Amino acid sequence: GAVVSQHPSWVICKSGTSVKIECRSLDFQATTMFWYRQFPKQSLMLMATSNEGSKATYEQGVEKDKFLINHASLTLSTLTVTSAHPEDSSFYICSAVLAGVLHEQYFGPGTRLTVT
Amino acid sequence: ELKVEQNPLFLSMQEGKNYTIYCNYSTTSDRLYWYRQDPGKSLESLFVLLSNGAVKQEGRLMASLDTKARLSTLHITAAVHDLSATYFCAVPLPLRNQFYFGTGTSLTVIP
Repeated sequence: GAVVSQHPSWVICKSGTSVKIECRSLDFQATTMFWYRQFPKQSLMLMATSNEGSKATYEQGVEKDKFLINHASLTLSTLTVTSAHPEDSSFYICSAVLAGVLHEQYFGPGTRLTVT
Repeated sequence: ELKVEQNPLFLSMQEGKNYTIYCNYSTTSDRLYWYRQDPGKSLESLFVLLSNGAVKQEGRLMASLDTKARLSTLHITAAVHDLSATYFCAVPLPLRNQFYFGTGTSLTVIP
């Protein structure tokens, strides 16, 4: 149980285009999902907290107009990288929190984004 | 701001040797998580330490937590090549679900 999927697993896009990444909790409901970004050989950096039915909360330094997050249901959050640039190339990992259970967080398999 | 630091950042060790990775954090937390990450992969949960003095062991890995010292250790016993990976500790903010990850320790076990 407690499986989180991400789609796509990898994507290549051209500069200036937008790309959407989906994060789904497959067998549980998640009122909260998190989005992390990881550059090569670095740690995971929390980008934003996605709450079902409300606006996402962004960490300091993360552009909310560039990284659009939508959490439309208890099992799906999406991250859209708008007007992507090569410096946005990174490994994006989402996690989902089991509804009502503090700190019970499950991680998705990640999405490798390459912007050319 | 919560800071989570790991030491060392890079570790190269021979098979059969023992070593300890340290995780220090800057704020009060009563729990800590350890994860393993293989290249190109996401995180694999290793240990959840839920209280001061907690100790957990799985195979050649043992983790402990000292909440008073804000320190956790991940001890590797008789390392084998399969343990080569990057190890992260993560600390949740009290009463919130946000996790803050340590800097990571890249472990290479040499035959």
